Amino acid sequence: GQNIDQPTEMTATEGAIVQINCTYQTSGFNGLFWYQQHAGEAPTFLSYNVLDGLEEKGRFSSFLSRSKGYSYLLLKELQMKDSASYLCAVLPEYGNKLVFGAGTILRVKS
Amino acid sequence: ETGVTQSPTHLIKTRGQQVTLRCSSQSGHNTVSWYQQALGQGPQFIFQYYREEENGRGNFPPRFSGLQFPNYSSELNVNALELDDSALYLCASSSSAVAGYEQYFGPGTRLTVT
Repeated sequence: GQNIDQPTEMTATEGAIVQINCTYQTSGFNGLFWYQQHAGEAPTFLSYNVLDGLEEKGRFSSFLSRSKGYSYLLLKELQMKDSASYLCAVLPEYGNKLVFGAGTILRVKS
Repeated sequence: ETGVTQSPTHLIKTRGQQVTLRCSSQSGHNTVSWYQQALGQGPQFIFQYYREEENGRGNFPPRFSGLQFPNYSSELNVNALELDDSALYLCASSSSAVAGYEQYFGPGTRLTVT
């Protein structure tokens, strides 16, 4: 089976740093994606990790540990527009069929 | 470059009816995947089409079916609608069915079954 866990909700202050964790247990592993989804909109791509380590892209970074089945998304210098749902998704097998977690709703307050 | 488009934006149907949702993939993309997203949940994989052939299917009953056309646009058909089919239906296109290629999502079709 496939199981992906993320916290349901998080709240953080504008300008701060927040870390959103994701743990997974899947039948196989061919990479992990993070997507951002604003209410009523399509998910938009943030990052892709297939090897262990940290990938940095501007204010957003994503980390992967395959041995621990663990990833996190780090958001720095939070802005109000970062309030959204953040989806962790795993590619459990060869191919491009994503398995998503339920998402973490991030609320940024001033 | 045109992104992924879906139609219609919203749809209301009655239980037992049939519905067809449409998706135009991004230019140059030959792979389309369909996802169902219930309120407060992450998207769930329905199936994927690669070069007009079904290339994998999630845990959805046969009344969910699809097509991909030579221009790589796609349709999702749902027969005998049930109340639980109410959800946001997302299509995503990518330039390859190989793992790791970014999937670009369309804005979705919000289906309400009454």
